Amino acid sequence: AQSVTQLGSHVSVSEGALVLLRCNYSSSVPPYLFWYVQYPNQGLQLLLKYTTGATLVKGINGFEAEFKKSETSFHLTKPSAHMSDAAEYFCAVTGAGSYQLTFGKGTKLSVIP
Amino acid sequence: EAQVTQNPRYLITVTGKKLTVTCSQNMNHEYMSWYRQDPGLGLRQIYYSMNVEVTDKGDVPEGYKVSRKEKRNFPLILESPSPNQTSLYFCASSLSSGGPYEQYFGPGTRLTVT
Repeated sequence: AQSVTQLGSHVSVSEGALVLLRCNYSSSVPPYLFWYVQYPNQGLQLLLKYTTGATLVKGINGFEAEFKKSETSFHLTKPSAHMSDAAEYFCAVTGAGSYQLTFGKGTKLSVIP
Repeated sequence: EAQVTQNPRYLITVTGKKLTVTCSQNMNHEYMSWYRQDPGLGLRQIYYSMNVEVTDKGDVPEGYKVSRKEKRNFPLILESPSPNQTSLYFCASSLSSGGPYEQYFGPGTRLTVT
């Protein structure tokens, strides 16, 4: 069984401020973790993913996430928010032998000029 | 261009009138899936297919049917739509399942059932 919890359905940051979106997961097998972004009126696109190896993962548009097994977390960060980062972000988990990718409920990021 | 296409993009229909939403991918992917997205609920999986002729229920399959007769196509069928199926629907595909494989999403189909 697997599940994802995203803390905060809506996060607002000022332009240039740190972005931190939280994701905690549960999985009965070693997880593969993903962050997807959805811009208004569009489908989802992959930001980054953790498979194995290095726990700090870099993605597109300056985002990165760190896999912390002891905390069952995979938080997404970006040092300096840009107006174009305003979107909804989804954390997702799957694992070896699973036929499903389980999504969190999403966090909508607003960037204030 | 590698992509997942869905049609139609927007659909307004009435209760009980059968409809089909098509999904096609050109990446030779084994795995395909349908999700619905509702405010505050995120994406929930309706059905998935591991390969041709192999499909299984996701978390919210009631009221939906699927078929996978060809590798590239995975249509979603609503035989008797009801208002609670008003939602935004996404089709996705990936190389396989249960591994570090990115899912590629279509642009979405916004369905309204009155």
